[in-house]
This record gives sequence, structure tokens and C-alpha cells, in this order.
Amino acid sequence: AQSVAQPEDQVNVAEGNPLTVKCTYSVSGNPYLFWYVQYPNRGLQFLLKYITGDNLVKGSYGFEAEFNKSQTSFHLKKPSALVSDSALYFCAVRDPSGGYQKVTFGIGTKLQVIP
Amino acid sequence: KAGVTQTPRYLIKTRGQQVTLSCSPISGHRSVSWYQQTPGQGLQFLFEYFSETQRNKGNFPGRFSGRQFSNSRSEMNVSTLELGDSALYLCASSLRDKGEKLFFGSGTQLSVL
Repeated sequence: AQSVAQPEDQVNVAEGNPLTVKCTYSVSGNPYLFWYVQYPNRGLQFLLKYITGDNLVKGSYGFEAEFNKSQTSFHLKKPSALVSDSALYFCAVRDPSGGYQKVTFGIGTKLQVIP
Repeated sequence: KAGVTQTPRYLIKTRGQQVTLSCSPISGHRSVSWYQQTPGQGLQFLFEYFSETQRNKGNFPGRFSGRQFSNSRSEMNVSTLELGDSALYLCASSLRDKGEKLFFGSGTQLSVL
């Protein structure tokens, strides 16, 4: 069975500093990995995805994520945090092998950027 | 292009009642999935429909059911509501490709009293 872990309930970072939101996954095959962001009282918005190819994936709003197969991680990063980045971030995984599998989400990490 | 539309936005029900939530996907999207979001539990997968057929189902009791119509619109129904069913219910649509991203609606906030 596929699973996702987001070990931090909340991450606090000062505006202008780099940020990292951690994610590890477990799938039987090669994973499809995603990051989504949720602003208050809204649905989730897609940030970026890794399917294959370059381990460093660039996405919306200056975010990027690094796929590390040996550590089964897909951490979300941004070089310089903005107050407007404060939101709830979800990592998600889909195992593309063995038929059409559901997308499994982590429990989310709340990012607080402090002015 | 209109986004994913969920109605109603808010619902208040009492225990034992039933509720129907509606989701209209993005035009051209034939896959619709439903998630339950609660604090501390993240997003729990309920089910996914494609071309009016349920393709995947999560670990929820039989009180939770859904369907998809020929125009790809989807409904989910929860019968005999319990206090623990209070949650934000999110619908997402996508092109049915494994690598495709999900497009989410704003959700229906269900409160069970």
C-alpha cells in the first residue's frame, strides 16, 4: 500500500529566509509525487509534480522540490519565503503500477512565515 | 474555463439525517474523486468515479456512497449522519491520466450537530 508522511505539523520561518517542508513516501514501484497548497477556506491548488526525469522539479510561486529515491523523500523548498506563502501544504503520492491507483495525501504541514 | 464547483458551500445537519453533496467537474474532465478533510487526519480518500463507474473506494463505511452522471457531474451521499462526519468534503476532477494533477473545488463544510 502506498503512504505519505509529513513529519512536521508546523514549520515557522522568517520572511526572506529559505524554507523546507518535508515529505517521505512509500510505494511499491516508481512514484508519481505531488505538492498541493491550501489557503484558508479554499480547496487545494497544485504546486508541482515529479513523474520522471530531473530530480529537481520547479513549480508555481517559486517553489521547487527535490526527489530523492534512496531516501524516499520529496521535500518542498523555496529560496526566500514570503508572508503570503503562509498556508497548509500537502504532499501526495500515486503508485502508477498495478492499475489505476488513488492519490494518497499526507496530513499536511502548516507553514507560518513570520514578517 | 470554469473550475470545479461544489454545492452547497456549507451544511448543518443533525445526527441521523442524510445529506447529498454535489460536484461539477471542469469541462472535459471525466474523472471525479472525493476526499474528506479533518484537522489532524489530512485528506482521506472516499471514492473515485470515471465514466459513471466507481474505480476506487476508500476505507469508509457503507453510509458513504456516491455516483457519477453521464455529464460527469458527481454526487456523494452520507446517510445516518454521525457527529464524526463533520468535515470539509472536497471534490477533485482530472483528465484520467496517472500523472495528471487534480483540480479541487472549494469544498462543502458539513457540520453535524
